[in-house]
Amino acid sequence: EAGVAQSPRYKIIEKRQSVAFWCNPISGHATLYWYQQILGQGPKLLIQFQNNGVVDDSQLPKDRFSAERLKGVDSTLKIQPAKLEDSAVYLCASRVSGANVLTFGAGSRLTVL
Amino acid sequence: SQELEQSPQSLIVQEGKNLTINCTSSKTLYGLYWYKQKYGEGLIFLMMLQKGGEEKSHEKITAKLDEKKQQSSLHITASQPSHAGIYLCGADYGGSQGNLIFGKGTKLSVKP
Repeated sequence: EAGVAQSPRYKIIEKRQSVAFWCNPISGHATLYWYQQILGQGPKLLIQFQNNGVVDDSQLPKDRFSAERLKGVDSTLKIQPAKLEDSAVYLCASRVSGANVLTFGAGSRLTVL
Repeated sequence: SQELEQSPQSLIVQEGKNLTINCTSSKTLYGLYWYKQKYGEGLIFLMMLQKGGEEKSHEKITAKLDEKKQQSSLHITASQPSHAGIYLCGADYGGSQGNLIFGKGTKLSVKP
C-alpha cells in the first residue's frame, strides 16, 4: 500500500512570498488532515477534511492560509503571504473511515527568510 | 498551560539500557496514541491505548494507560540505536475523530 505522498519536501522562500504544498492521501482514506509542526513542538492541527468538506479549520490562520480538497482525494495547502513564523514542517495525514489511526506523510519543510 | 505534557524533554541512554517516557494529560483521555518521528521524516504509528489500565507491547516497546486515563508511559527495554528519534504522544479528547493534540515530544538518543 502506497503511503501518504507530499511535495515538495523542502521549500525556502522570502517573507511575503507565497507557497503551496500538495498531499495525496492513501487510496480510500476519506479523512485528510494538515498539521503544522514548528521546531521543538508537537504537530498542531490546521485543518481536517472529510471527503471534500471541511470538518475543522478552527486553528487555520485564515487571513493567510487556505486549503482545499476539491475532488475529495488530494489536497493543497497554501500560504500567502508567508511570515517568518510560518517556518515549520507541514504534515499531511489521512485516515480510513471507521479506523482511529492516522497515517502521516514525510512532511514538507518550509523555511521563510 | 499545555494540555499534554511529556517528560523528559530529551534523554540520552547507553545501548542496552531500559528507559521510560511519560505523557500526562490535564483532562481525561478518550484515547492516547504513541508515534515516533525521525528527523526529516513523518510520524510513524507505534501504539494506541483506549481503555484504563490497558497495556500493549510491540517488540521491545511497551505502552500503558493508567486507570484514570490521564497518564501514559512508554517503556523501551534493552534500547538499541534504532530506537533513537522523537517520541510523541497524541491525545484524543473526543472531538472531531482523529483530531489529536500532541505533546512536545521526547528526543531519545542511544549511544552505542
